[in-house]
Amino acid sequence: DFVMTQSPDSLAVSLGERATINCKSSQSVLYSSDNKNYLAWFQHKPGHPPKLLIYWASTRESGVPDRFSGSGSGTDFTLTISSLQAEDVAVYYCQQYYFTRTFGQGTKVEIK
Amino acid sequence: QVQLVESGGGVVQPGRSLRLSCVASGFTFSTYAMHWVRQAPGKGLEWVAVISYDGTNEHYVDSVKGRFTIFRDNSKNTLYLQMNSLRAEDTAVYYCTRETIGTAKNDYWGQGTLVTVS
Repeated sequence: DFVMTQSPDSLAVSLGERATINCKSSQSVLYSSDNKNYLAWFQHKPGHPPKLLIYWASTRESGVPDRFSGSGSGTDFTLTISSLQAEDVAVYYCQQYYFTRTFGQGTKVEIK
Repeated sequence: QVQLVESGGGVVQPGRSLRLSCVASGFTFSTYAMHWVRQAPGKGLEWVAVISYDGTNEHYVDSVKGRFTIFRDNSKNTLYLQMNSLRAEDTAVYYCTRETIGTAKNDYWGQGTLVTVS
């Protein structure tokens, strides 16, 4: 079974500053047949469904601001918010979809 | 536009059953695999189950195996989650979400339906 571990559990960042969230998978999510990492990032705000931000580790979903970016391969991944905006306050989850689905425990992002 | 609308949540006693529904519109439901994901109060997201586009394959998280059944009726564009032998720890908001063809990403989600086991 996959175990997804995010760090940190929470972080406070000043408006306009960079926020970085890490995600480590217990197994590689790199699928050899297509050389793609089956790793996604979601933003979740209270009272709303999760919103897909990034898939295939680094492909931004349509309509997602370009201040959100994803990187990494194999077992180690990063979500970066280059310039934090007030509307980015949320919990962020990584998800492997190499086999079924597994989410990380979430990282709460707040304004400092 | 793509829409997923869940229903069927409510308050139920431990050991009882409940069936959730998710009605899909705005896309060809019968060609998409579908998932259920839940969030317990104060907790993170937990994947629950997936069903293939034609209903022939299913997978479940270990904690619900033998108690929950995911199934679908493509003629009604509806996904279901039959939940039996409910426990307090099944209390959560349950979301349905589709899996896109090709990329396998979960792009669209319903608003969720709350199940309280008490």
